[in-house]
Amino acid sequence: KQEVTQIPAALSVPEGENLVLNCSFTDSAIYNLQWFRQDPGKGLTSLLLIQSSQREQTSGRLNASLDKSSGRSTLYIAASQPGDSATYLCAVRPSRGSTLGRLYFGRGTQLTVWP
Amino acid sequence: EPEVTQTPSHQVTQMGQEVILRCVPISNHLYFYWYRQILGQKVEFLVSFYNNEISEKSEIFDDQFSVERPDGSNFTLKIRSTKLEDSAMYFCASRKRQDTNYGYTFGSGTRLTVV
Repeated sequence: KQEVTQIPAALSVPEGENLVLNCSFTDSAIYNLQWFRQDPGKGLTSLLLIQSSQREQTSGRLNASLDKSSGRSTLYIAASQPGDSATYLCAVRPSRGSTLGRLYFGRGTQLTVWP
Repeated sequence: EPEVTQTPSHQVTQMGQEVILRCVPISNHLYFYWYRQILGQKVEFLVSFYNNEISEKSEIFDDQFSVERPDGSNFTLKIRSTKLEDSAMYFCASRKRQDTNYGYTFGSGTRLTVV
């Protein structure tokens, strides 16, 4: 069974810092990996989707990398802002077994950026 | 940008009552999902639905749960006899195609509180 782990569980930084959030998964047989943002009590907003054949994806100040063979992904946030404060979730979509189309989530990293 | 819409945003119900959670997926999407997140825990898969039938369900999705797409636009999750442990945030999600280039779009969730 796929297990997804995210570290750190929480991060508190001053505005302007560059950040790295980590995600690891136990089974490298994945189609893709998706990073989401979750604001308190709210839904999941998709940030980036990386295919298993890709090494990285970028959107604005966000850059996500994927090393499928080692079961790792990182989300890099450049020049953090207070508006980036949220929980960041990593989810993988397996490519084998009876779980096609099903996502496995990590617990998330709760980020606080203070002015 | 197209959205997945969920109603109600918050529902309080008494233990043993039936509840129906409603979702309107993105109109040209073909695959539909329910996930839930108990407070402080991971987002976990409940069920996937395609071509008017369940594709896959998790061990959580027992006989108390059912899903339906009654009219080609709404997608509902019914819990027949709610328990205290059903209290959670329930997310609906949809995806355009099985193609791995397409990620998930999640709704903003329904917070279910069973008292």
